[in-house]
Amino acid sequence: DGGITQSPKYLFRKEGQNVTLSCEQNLNHDAMYWYRQDPGQGLRLIYYSQIVNDFQKGDIAEGYSVSREKKESFPLTVTSAQKNPTAFYLCASSAGLRDTQYFGPGTRLTVL
Amino acid sequence: GEDVEQSLFLSVREGDSSVINCTYTDSSSTYLYWYKQEPGAGLQLLTYIFSNMDMKQDQRLTVLLNKKDKHLSLRIADTQTGDSAIYFCAGTNVGSARQLTFGSGTQLTVLP
Repeated sequence: DGGITQSPKYLFRKEGQNVTLSCEQNLNHDAMYWYRQDPGQGLRLIYYSQIVNDFQKGDIAEGYSVSREKKESFPLTVTSAQKNPTAFYLCASSAGLRDTQYFGPGTRLTVL
Repeated sequence: GEDVEQSLFLSVREGDSSVINCTYTDSSSTYLYWYKQEPGAGLQLLTYIFSNMDMKQDQRLTVLLNKKDKHLSLRIADTQTGDSAIYFCAGTNVGSARQLTFGSGTQLTVLP
């Protein structure tokens, strides 16, 4: 089955720790994205990648980092510099940068 | 940049039609999308409409686009309890190198 997987579904971390969220796709898409969703709000773009070895900051990149070493994978690291990291994180991919985006199931991160 | 606005809540009776509305600011938006999000899940693409169309129908879903008023609506016929979810509209912008701008989502509650 083609699709986007995110792991883990739930993640807990202590303040001051970095944590990495996984996103994998087997749709052969070039573009991948990370969004953050807070209760009662729409999605806000953290980072996006148009192609392997390239990525760009979105609207709320501070306190986050990404890498794109493989076409299938776009991991997101939430660093200790992120002031309010508790949120629902969604990964998406699309064939190209302006094409239809398909979403993974999300990871809920809770900072204790 | 693009701004997309939606009303936050809508309640309907099972079997009635639901109409979810969305307004956007960027008249150059090329594609406009509707996504559905069930509790704790990712976003599921429902349908989309290209900006040179006025209407698109797909089974129980009808999308209407009024370009003059920059107004987009999603009508769900014969609404069922399984349609209870958050519905997001989103638009792309030809002038942007990037991606989607999302509304804040409309929580649809279907009452028995």
